[in-house]
Amino acid sequence: EPEVTQTPSHQVTQMGQEVILRCVPISNHLYFYWYRQILGQKVEFLVSFYNNEISEKSEIFDDQFSVERPDGSNFTLKIRSTKLEDSAMYFCASSEDYGSYNEQFFGPGTRLTVL
Amino acid sequence: DAKTTQPNSMESNEEEPVHLPCNHSTISGTDYIHWYRQLPSQGPEYVIHGLTSNVNNRMASLAIAEDRKSSTLILHRATLRDAAVYYCIRIGQGAQKLVFGQGTRLTINP
Repeated sequence: EPEVTQTPSHQVTQMGQEVILRCVPISNHLYFYWYRQILGQKVEFLVSFYNNEISEKSEIFDDQFSVERPDGSNFTLKIRSTKLEDSAMYFCASSEDYGSYNEQFFGPGTRLTVL
Repeated sequence: DAKTTQPNSMESNEEEPVHLPCNHSTISGTDYIHWYRQLPSQGPEYVIHGLTSNVNNRMASLAIAEDRKSSTLILHRATLRDAAVYYCIRIGQGAQKLVFGQGTRLTINP
């Protein structure tokens, strides 16, 4: 069964450093998403991406964040200058289409620890 | 604002049915109800969705009230692997993002 993959599984970085989290969505999917979950808290939407541009973003997704689909298979989330509060699990997801009847498939997540 | 209400936790026994309730009293006519679950240390996983009619798939059944103000996710025969946080999510037409609430933490006793 096709699945979303994410690398690395765990990333440790120093505050102020740049990190890039990588995701390989399911191959025929057109919509891509990033969510995050701070330890013990809800899963929060960050951004959705379609046709090589951001289609929706949350208040969390400020200028420190960016997303890119550098080739036909990868989807990346970059945090330019990490803060302690960026420590969280980051989940990538993809879907064939958008809208109320489409399921999103999630990856296993990258645990980001900012020291 | 997740706009759904679920109990914080529920407990059941292995091999017994589990009924997980969700209240969505302000639901609009075009909102779908989706259920996702999150097993420990994993990403969310789609379970089932529906609009008006009851739905069945290999994982679960979804019973939607006639007035659509509530729904129930039914696991017919719970296993230990079903221990997870279950999220009931309303999704409107054209919506892209999933808005997760706190969900219901389901514990399965052997």
